[in-house]
Amino acid sequence: QVQLQESGPGLVKPSETLSLTCTVSGGSISNYFWSWIRQPAGKGLEWIGRIYSSEDTNYSGSTNYNPSLRSRVTMSVDTSKRQFSLKLSSVTAADTAVYFCARVALSSGFFYFDFWGQGALVTVSS
Amino acid sequence: QSVLTQPPSVSGAPGQRVTISCTGSSSNIGAGYDVHWYRQLPGTAPKLLIYSNTNRPSGVPDRFSGSKSGTSASLAITGLQAEDEADYYCQSYDSSLSVVFGGGTKLTVL
Repeated sequence: QVQLQESGPGLVKPSETLSLTCTVSGGSISNYFWSWIRQPAGKGLEWIGRIYSSEDTNYSGSTNYNPSLRSRVTMSVDTSKRQFSLKLSSVTAADTAVYFCARVALSSGFFYFDFWGQGALVTVSS
Repeated sequence: QSVLTQPPSVSGAPGQRVTISCTGSSSNIGAGYDVHWYRQLPGTAPKLLIYSNTNRPSGVPDRFSGSKSGTSASLAITGLQAEDEADYYCQSYDSSLSVVFGGGTKLTVL
């Protein structure tokens, strides 16, 4: 059974960069897309982006981001460590949320999330 | 405001059937993109319930079913049980190049 675990600082100051890492266990990280999704308290889900992990370095690291966050998001993957990461720059209080990492499953139109981490609360406050 | 519209809440008595709607537009559900459903218990991560409109992952009871027509989709739950009380989210893809979610529906078992 694939398991995902988010880790990173729970408190970030305004205007700084939020950094989270997701560690994958119980299954391969290679040849899958991986995503970050967030959820402000009491609100709905928002997709942040996805990154592809491959043993072929020509393809690993390919990303797609939510257009509304693209200017501030960077995702990376370290296949050898079975980890992928999220960086969100210039954060404000509006970025306070539970951040989930998830595995992407492909469908004929288009993709969904079949395994999720438990979530990590990140609060933006001075 | 979410791209996909769900009723904020639905309710039903144990044993009854309830449906949760998910309404989109010609740029997402109506464009042919699949709809997927998740269940989220309080304080936990969402769990995949239905994928690609009608399919159940292994372990999900056949009390849960999904359908899609035009620009909308629905999740039906039959034989309602107390443990079904949760938040339910639909998800699709939009031609704006982004995954989109519904705002979520809180199911209350009376």
